[in-house]
Amino acid sequence: GENVGLHLPTLSVQEGDNSIINCAYSNSASDYFIWYKQESGKGPQFIIDIRSNMDKRQGQRVTVLLNKTVKHLSLQIAATQPGDSAVYFCAEKSNAGGTSYGKLTFGQGTILTVHP
Amino acid sequence: EAGVAQSPRYKIIEKRQSVAFWCNPISGHATLYWYQQILGQGPKLLIQFQNNGVVDDSQLPKDRFSAERLKGVDSTLKIQPAKLEDSAVYLCASRLGNSYEQYFGPGTRLTVT
Repeated sequence: GENVGLHLPTLSVQEGDNSIINCAYSNSASDYFIWYKQESGKGPQFIIDIRSNMDKRQGQRVTVLLNKTVKHLSLQIAATQPGDSAVYFCAEKSNAGGTSYGKLTFGQGTILTVHP
Repeated sequence: EAGVAQSPRYKIIEKRQSVAFWCNPISGHATLYWYQQILGQGPKLLIQFQNNGVVDDSQLPKDRFSAERLKGVDSTLKIQPAKLEDSAVYLCASRLGNSYEQYFGPGTRLTVT
């Protein structure tokens, strides 16, 4: 769907806490999802991805959960550090082929602030 | 491996002027994307290239925006003439054929006054 709004959701946590960032996606035909981290003045950086045939995937300190029933995606960051402070975007890829192959549609983003 | 390179990093122009952005993707990445990211929003796809051919330009405002990738490597995005609402970060990304992951450059921050 369209990205809307000038007021990004925000999440503030203390260093060492676990963080959960949520994302609602729009297309039930999406078959691949990806989380990006964007620090100020930089381009988005890959964190973790998951295919629609999975419910959970773990990386280093990060876990992505996918609930296709309610079209919801979450990113869990364990032991959050000040360096994790950034804007986090989820993106979805439709299973359509042709010119839509590989096309990612980005969500609104969430600002994560980690306090020392 | 070197990442996606973009230049310039910052550009300030007056409305109705022209501007061009340059992108050098990761070596070997056949697919190249240009995105527009307005402050407070996620990246919005403008155009997608596969080698030197346009795959998707459905969201490119073609009356003022143009892009090319003549030799299937570097790409340029041009705006002519610029409007105030074009103020944004313009991101270039590239992708290897066997993966959906897109690698982003640092972006060019455009301010139109």
